Amino acid sequence: QLQESGPGLVKPSETLSLTCTVSGGSINSGRYYWDWIRQPPGKGLDWIGSISHRGTTRYNPSLKSRVTMSVDTSKNKFSLRLGSVTAADTALYYCARRLVVVPDAVSWGRGAMVTVSS
Amino acid sequence: DIVMTQTPLSSPVTLGQPASISCRSSQSLVHSDGNTYLSWLQQRPGQPPRLLIYKIFNRFSGVPDRFSGSGAGTDFTLKISRVEIEDVGVYYCMQATQFPLTFGQGTRLEIK
Repeated sequence: QLQESGPGLVKPSETLSLTCTVSGGSINSGRYYWDWIRQPPGKGLDWIGSISHRGTTRYNPSLKSRVTMSVDTSKNKFSLRLGSVTAADTALYYCARRLVVVPDAVSWGRGAMVTVSS
Repeated sequence: DIVMTQTPLSSPVTLGQPASISCRSSQSLVHSDGNTYLSWLQQRPGQPPRLLIYKIFNRFSGVPDRFSGSGAGTDFTLKISRVEIEDVGVYYCMQATQFPLTFGQGTRLEIK
């Protein structure tokens, strides 16, 4: 299971921070990529980035300058930081996992709504 | 980026009748390892997306066999053989062949 947590409200220009807690398996297994995907209200899905258990990251070029992902294998968690947020970053943020050997097989968390507003 | 284009964007269907959704990619989704990483997701109202199909035609665990996927290269199709009320929602195709991962715009399946 995947569970997102973090502030639901962030001020413009500040940094959005979310954590995903993984249960029922170890991030250190190396079997998965760990992803963040977001969905603005009423809109479609946007992939933010991936991190491996070793900390290797791939980011969407559209967000790369503002995104940092990290992994804490001792706590079985991974995290997202998105800087300099604007109202356009208001979205439902999902953490997800994808099998390394079948990278289009995605399992999703429940999602965490983040609103950017002063 | 690979652009994923779905048609139709909305599909009114009668219960018990079939439904079909198309997804076209702006370039081939065949990976250098020979696999094609094209999946289909279902998002019911108020729910997170759920994996239905991966690698074009493989049904994920627990997915009813009325769902099937087909296609190759740049053209893919999701078919529902007999639509049930629980199938209402938005369906997305997703490619994981090339970074960044990209999604179709979504197709809303509704009951007539």
